[in-house]
Amino acid sequence: DIQMTQSPSSVSASVGDRVTITCRASQSISRWLTWYQQKPGKVPKVLISAASSLQSGVPSRFSGGGHGTDFILTISSLQPEDFATYYCQQAFSYPLTFGGGTKVEIK
Amino acid sequence: EAQLVESGGGLVQPGGSLRLSCAASGFSFSSTFMSWVRQAPGKGLEGVANINQDGSEKYYVDSVKGRFSISRDNSKNSLDLQMDSLRAEDTAVYHCVKYNASTGWLDPWGQGTRVTVSS
Repeated sequence: DIQMTQSPSSVSASVGDRVTITCRASQSISRWLTWYQQKPGKVPKVLISAASSLQSGVPSRFSGGGHGTDFILTISSLQPEDFATYYCQQAFSYPLTFGGGTKVEIK
Repeated sequence: EAQLVESGGGLVQPGGSLRLSCAASGFSFSSTFMSWVRQAPGKGLEGVANINQDGSEKYYVDSVKGRFSISRDNSKNSLDLQMDSLRAEDTAVYHCVKYNASTGWLDPWGQGTRVTVSS
């Protein structure tokens, strides 16, 4: 199974800050990477697919990049509604696997 | 609108069995790859099992291989997860999720059914 490693596991930030989350795959997954946002008590929401394609309705302050084994999710200017946990997920091979998550907390 | 509704969760003793079901509506179920994803209390997401459109291909995370079995009935638009030899570490909310194989994303998600393994 492909292992997905996210860092950091948590980050404290203020409104307006730039936040960067990284995700590393244990082998190359090309661009088969999706980013999700999950808020407490809610199911995950797709933010970005194919490493860098923003889902319809997702604010442009979210962006993704990377290819192969190293990927990045950036929130350019953190907003109050962005405090949540973020997960990466690979779809290069089965079973589908997730990173451990990054909790973005209020500083 | 695609909708997924899980059922079958509950409290079970270690070593016991449970069968989860998922009722799908609002999309072409028989044309869709499906997944079960779980989330233990206060923990992250874990992909448990995947099944292709006709049920001929099944994939499991290592921790459940030999104990869990995913299946589907396209005539009833339903997805099942048979869970045997349950362990405390299987305690989680189990979500039925539609997998878009052409894009790689999981969406939508059912609200989940809670499984608690405890004596």
